[in-house]
Amino acid sequence: QKEVEQDPGPLSVPEGAIVSLNCTYSNSAFQYFMWYRQYSRKGPELLMYTYSSGNKEDGRFTAQVDKSSKYISLFIRDSQPSDSATYLCAMMSRPRGSTLGRLYFGRGTQLTVWP
Amino acid sequence: NAGVTQTPKFRVLKTGQSMTLLCAQDMNHEYMYWYRQDPGMGLRLIHYSVGEGTTAKGEVPDGYNVSRLKKQNFLLGLESAAPSQTSVYFCASSSRQADTEAFFGQGTRLTVV
Repeated sequence: QKEVEQDPGPLSVPEGAIVSLNCTYSNSAFQYFMWYRQYSRKGPELLMYTYSSGNKEDGRFTAQVDKSSKYISLFIRDSQPSDSATYLCAMMSRPRGSTLGRLYFGRGTQLTVWP
Repeated sequence: NAGVTQTPKFRVLKTGQSMTLLCAQDMNHEYMYWYRQDPGMGLRLIHYSVGEGTTAKGEVPDGYNVSRLKKQNFLLGLESAAPSQTSVYFCASSSRQADTEAFFGQGTRLTVV
């Protein structure tokens, strides 16, 4: 079992729809939870970052973390064609005594928002 | 502000050939990483470095070597390329204070025939 599971999709929605993207994980040591966005033939870029459980909102994007269920979500409101991309969840634990956290990525969900 | 720059962007190799991928960052980041991205597999960490002169193995290090002689550069070498190394390679960097945010290059598409 991979440490981070993510449904690869693809997901196709009309403009204006609410999009829900999800990941599950098995490692209870994960403390940091990120969502990266990757446009076609580009490198990933950080979209949202959350520490521990709870919600975080940034414009049309909301990230949720439920550590008790080992489940994280990204919601996109009023989706736009420009949101069409692959969304990768990522998680990090910081081993005791280590200065470097290790990022674990999901496989990514391909999203298309059509006009 | 260039960020993370990878060279080359595309390459086709024959089985058994060697090559070096170059990554350069201008953000003075301490940490640098090499990932490969394959369909259905996501991003997998090959090697990483926490500082000049130090490197460490990641999740899939076999068949690759790395060097970090200068803080701003991180080189990934393939000594004897195999078709299984056909992939898109991404370099990333992050600061020690904020290693949750990795900055990625634009990727190198490598095909081994």
